[in-house]
Amino acid sequence: GAVVSQHPSWVICKSGTSVKIECRSLDFQATTMFWYRQFPKQSLMLMATSNEGSKATYEQGVEKDKFLINHASLTLSTLTVTSAHPEDSSFYICSARDSRGDTQYFGPGTRLTVL
Amino acid sequence: GESVGLHLPTLSVQEGDNSIINCAYSNSASDYFIWYKQESGKGPQFIIDIRSNMDKRQGQRVTVLLNKTVKHLSLQIAATQPGDSAVYFCADNTGANSKLTFGKGITLSVRP
Repeated sequence: GAVVSQHPSWVICKSGTSVKIECRSLDFQATTMFWYRQFPKQSLMLMATSNEGSKATYEQGVEKDKFLINHASLTLSTLTVTSAHPEDSSFYICSARDSRGDTQYFGPGTRLTVL
Repeated sequence: GESVGLHLPTLSVQEGDNSIINCAYSNSASDYFIWYKQESGKGPQFIIDIRSNMDKRQGQRVTVLLNKTVKHLSLQIAATQPGDSAVYFCADNTGANSKLTFGKGITLSVRP
């Protein structure tokens, strides 16, 4: 149980384009999902907290207009990187918190490369 | 966990030995702690958790110890196997909003 999926697992795009990443909780409901960014050999950095049916809460320094988050259902949250640039290249990971508890379960991550 | 660092420390152990991975956290209000394992190119995988009303919890081949007095958390892995090689992160939260604070991460390398 407690499986979280992400799609796509990797994406390469041109500078200036937008990329959407999906995060799904497959066997549980998640009122709260989280989006992280991870650079090589570093820890995870929380970007935003996504609550079903409401606006996301962004961490300090994260541009909400650049990283659009939508959490339309209890099992799906999306992160859209708008007008992507090479510095946005990173490993993006989502997690979902089971509505019945505190544990966060992570997706497999999405490797974004912006050329 | 502590603030993010640029270089992950490495722990090298012999296959079959026990491993002890340590973590310090800074928020005295934290009441929930989790250890995650992350293999290269993958997302973190839940290993074991512990709440602040406990000081020890055991799982399959893993044990987590919590010392709230010194704000220290450790993960013990018994009979370490090559498949245990990964980066290990501790994380904590205060429960109120479930935001996790991650430690720096430690790379566990298992020698055959």
